[in-house]
Amino acid sequence: KAGVTQTPRYLIKTRGQQVTLSCSPISGHRSVSWYQQTPGQGLQFLFEYFSETQRNKGNFPGRFSGRQFSNSRSEMNVSTLELGDSALYLCASSFYGQGLQETQYFGPGTRLLVL
Amino acid sequence: QKEVEQNSGPLSVPEGAIASLNCTYSDRGSQSFFWYRQYSGKSPELIMSIYSNGDKEDGRFTAQLNKASQYVSLLIRDSQPSDSATYLCAVRAGTGGFKTIFGAGTRLFVKA
Repeated sequence: KAGVTQTPRYLIKTRGQQVTLSCSPISGHRSVSWYQQTPGQGLQFLFEYFSETQRNKGNFPGRFSGRQFSNSRSEMNVSTLELGDSALYLCASSFYGQGLQETQYFGPGTRLLVL
Repeated sequence: QKEVEQNSGPLSVPEGAIASLNCTYSDRGSQSFFWYRQYSGKSPELIMSIYSNGDKEDGRFTAQLNKASQYVSLLIRDSQPSDSATYLCAVRAGTGGFKTIFGAGTRLFVKA
């Protein structure tokens, strides 16, 4: 099976712009979670989608949003970019979601640099 | 207090030695625990998962869980230079809608 794919892999934006990142989960997986990873804060949970519904959200401002399509592919959007949004954005997929014993598989990430 | 705490390291061990990585968590309702390995510039990959108290072994890796002490550890036997990476402890809480919380990670260096 193909793994989780994320596009683009690298992105450079300027402050105030917006960005959309895409994630395609492993075939058959219906849940997609998004994380932000920075050297200072580590891996932080952004949100989780299952069957096109956001089931959980982390402590991020409303500038961060996402959605999931009927084919389980997901996008996340960051509006009005700030320098502090520079990070590695990771997508992880699993079959049902964050069930207690369910494993999440990570994609390669999108590295975003905000200038 | 952070929800999941790890010693940031770096932890340096000689090749062939046992590397011991530790993690504590604050939510007593947590029920699932995961260890991920992340090489520099790469995404995390799952090494071990553990759900009940005690030890779980998989090859050179052993995960240990003590829910009473809110403590989970990872032992790497016969450490190899290829084990040099950052190891992330992840805890899935039983409350709050099943959110996975990651520790900041421990950097491990295995010296040849």
